[in-house]
Amino acid sequence: DIQMTQSPSSLSASVGDRVTITCRASQTISSYLNWYQQKPGKAPNLLIYAASSLQSGVPSRFSGSGSGTDFTLTISSLQPEDFATYYCQQSYITPPTFGQGTKLEIK
Amino acid sequence: EVQLVESGGGVVQPGGSLRLSCAASGFTFDDYAMHWVRQAPGKGLEWVSLISGDGGSTKYADSVKGRFTISRDNSKNSLYLQMNSLRTEDTALYYCAKDIEARAQYSYHFDYWGQGTLVTVSS
Repeated sequence: DIQMTQSPSSLSASVGDRVTITCRASQTISSYLNWYQQKPGKAPNLLIYAASSLQSGVPSRFSGSGSGTDFTLTISSLQPEDFATYYCQQSYITPPTFGQGTKLEIK
Repeated sequence: EVQLVESGGGVVQPGGSLRLSCAASGFTFDDYAMHWVRQAPGKGLEWVSLISGDGGSTKYADSVKGRFTISRDNSKNSLYLQMNSLRTEDTALYYCAKDIEARAQYSYHFDYWGQGTLVTVSS
């Protein structure tokens, strides 16, 4: 299975900050990388697919980049509703696998 | 509006069985592959299984292969997960999730999720 490793595991930031979360795959996955946001007690929500495509309805302050093994999720200006846990996920091969999550907390 | 509503969770003893259901609405159900994804309490996400839109193709995580069976009834817009020989490590919130790609076999992009149904395996 492809291992997905996110860094950092947790992050404290303030409203208005620019934040970057990194995801690394244990082998190349081309651009088959998705990002999800999960708030407490809620289901995950797809933010970015195919490494850099913004899912419909997702604010443009979210962006994704990368290919091969290294990927980033950037939030350009944090809003109060962005404090949540973020997961990357590879959709390159079966089984699809997720990173361990990055918990974004208010500083 | 796309809606996915899971049901069937509960408390079961190790070795027991449970059948989860997911009722779908708001989209052409048989155009899309469907998935089950689980999340153990306080833990991350783990993909469990998929079924293609026509039901002809299924895949499973190694952790559940031979114990779980995914199925669908397109006439009822419903997805199922039959779980047998349950283990304590199967304790989790089980989500059904819709694949993003229409009429493809599957793409492993999950654009809609239900709210989940909790399965607790405990003696």
